[in-house]
Parts: sequence; structure tokens; C-alpha cells
Amino acid sequence: QKEVEQDPGPLSVPEGAIVSLNCTYSNSAFQYFMWYRQYSRKGPELLMYTYSSGNKEDGRFTAQVDKSSKYISLFIRDSQPSDSATYLCAMSINRDDKIIFGKGTRLHILP
Amino acid sequence: DTGVSQDPRHKITKRGQNVTFRCDPISEHNRLYWYRQTLGQGPEFLTYFQNEAQLEKSRLLSDRFSAERPKGSFSTLEIQRTEQGDSAMYLCASSSRRGKGNTEAFFGQGTRLTVV
Repeated sequence: QKEVEQDPGPLSVPEGAIVSLNCTYSNSAFQYFMWYRQYSRKGPELLMYTYSSGNKEDGRFTAQVDKSSKYISLFIRDSQPSDSATYLCAMSINRDDKIIFGKGTRLHILP
Repeated sequence: DTGVSQDPRHKITKRGQNVTFRCDPISEHNRLYWYRQTLGQGPEFLTYFQNEAQLEKSRLLSDRFSAERPKGSFSTLEIQRTEQGDSAMYLCASSSRRGKGNTEAFFGQGTRLTVV
């Protein structure tokens, strides 16, 4: 079993829809949880990070962490074609430890 | 622009040749990480430094791979006797450990290596 599991998609949704992306993990020592966005042939860009369980909102993005279920989610409201990218969940034990990534979910927002 | 700079952006090399990549982290970041990403996969951890000290190496980092950060600023990743399986995007990231002011890891744009 991989430490971090993420459905690779692709996921296609119409513009304006709410997008739900999620990951599960197996290592209960993870405390820091991140979502990165990666456009084709570019480096990952940090979108959101959360510590321990709870929700965090930033504009159209909401990150949720449920440590009891070892499950994290990213919601994108009012999705735009420019949101089309690969979304990588990531986590670490301490804030500046090595980060363990999921495979990434390819998201397509259809105009 | 994340501030992490990698050079070159693309490298095509023949199998068996040596290649070296450079990473310049965000100024004053004292942690520097190397990752490898293949098509359809997330980045995989290779190694990381705090200042000039290499703190951890993944088992993915075979003897043909070596990384240095001699003055605690920029870092180099060298691959000797390249193999076709080394073809990947090599990503560098940096973060800062400053007690309460720890920052998250920010990535560069990567060096795409193609071994032919």
C-alpha cells in the first residue's frame, strides 16, 4: 500500500461546478497537509496547507483534513477553465520535512 | 515565479553520459530538497539538505546520483552514466526553518532530462 493514494483521473467538469478532490493516506504521523497545483511541464505551485484536522478556506478553495479517517479533500468553487491542471495532495510529518506526494489528479474544466 | 531557480530547464543526453543540474533556492532558505517526477506520477523525494549538511537520502538515490550543497546556498545534482530510466523531471524545492517562522516548500520549474 502506498503511503498516499490519489485517484489520477482525469476528472472533467463543466465551468462553474464545484470540484471535489481527495486523498487517503496510511501514516498517522502526518501532521501537515498540502495541495499543490501543477500545470503541464511546470513545477508544483503551493495552493493550500493545513495543520492537523480541520478546514481552511482561501478564496474559491477549501481544504479539509480528517485525521481520524486519514482523508483529505480540496474543494474548488465556481470552477474556471484556468483551474485545469494536475492537483497533487502532499503531506509531511513536520512542516519542513520531506513531503510525500500523491500521484496527482488531472482536472479539466470544460468551458 | 516561486523564486527557486533551476538550470538547465531541459537537458537531452546520450545514455552513459554524465549530467549535472543546478538549483538556486529562495534567498536565506536553509532547507533544500530534490525530487524526481515521471510522467503521470507525483514527485518522489530524493534527498534534502539543511544548510550544507545532507540530512536524508532516499533509496531511490542510487550510487550513480550525488548531490551537494557546498556553501549552504545553491545545490547540484549529478547523475553519472545516465540510463534511459533516468529520464524524468528533476525538481528542486526550498523552505526555511526559523523556529516559529517555518515556511512551506516552494518548488522550482524543474529540469527535464531526456536520456536517448
